[in-house]
Amino acid sequence: GAVVSQHPSWVICKSGTSVKIECRSLDFQATTMFWYRQFPKQSLMLMATSNEGSKATYEQGVEKDKFLINHASLTLSTLTVTSAHPEDSSFYICSAPGQGASYTFGSGTRLTVV
Amino acid sequence: KNEVEQSPQNLTAQEGEFITINCSYSVGISALHWLQQHPGGGIVSLFMLSSGKKKHGRLIATINIQEKHSSLHITASHPRDSAVYICAVMKSSGDKLTFGTGTRLAVRP
Repeated sequence: GAVVSQHPSWVICKSGTSVKIECRSLDFQATTMFWYRQFPKQSLMLMATSNEGSKATYEQGVEKDKFLINHASLTLSTLTVTSAHPEDSSFYICSAPGQGASYTFGSGTRLTVV
Repeated sequence: KNEVEQSPQNLTAQEGEFITINCSYSVGISALHWLQQHPGGGIVSLFMLSSGKKKHGRLIATINIQEKHSSLHITASHPRDSAVYICAVMKSSGDKLTFGTGTRLAVRP
């Protein structure tokens, strides 16, 4: 079946540095990738939608300059958290729609900013 | 009010019990998903429904489009079923998912 590979699975970074998270569709072409954030014991919240070859669409309240999304190819979408702060510590997960109404999720990235 | 409501929020069961998790939604949908999220965070898609009923092993999912309601049943529950179960709806194919708040299930041996 469809697989989305997400890396890294966890990362610890210092305040002020940037972190890049990658999501690759391994056996299908993902023209769209959804990026979610999840705080402890809360539901997934959509941050942005990336579309191959065009600018990402951000949800209200999500800073475009802080969460840079790139979808340069049909198999790779990246999320870069720039100038990370402790409040950016969260679980980030990507998801791509597949055939019909199916969905495939990445394995998630746990980001800790110290 | 959330477009997708789940109940219960938390559920503790004894191994072997039959479990039901409910999901109600208030919008028109093209499909409803049941997802399982384990403590490590990874999410697995259990079912995708647009009508009727689906069964996979000990898991059964049903949906009533007219009543805008879906249920996830687990028969003969086991401690390894302990996870957060999330209901999510898609308004149109390829669209983003709208998530319920999840049901945290703990199955005791």
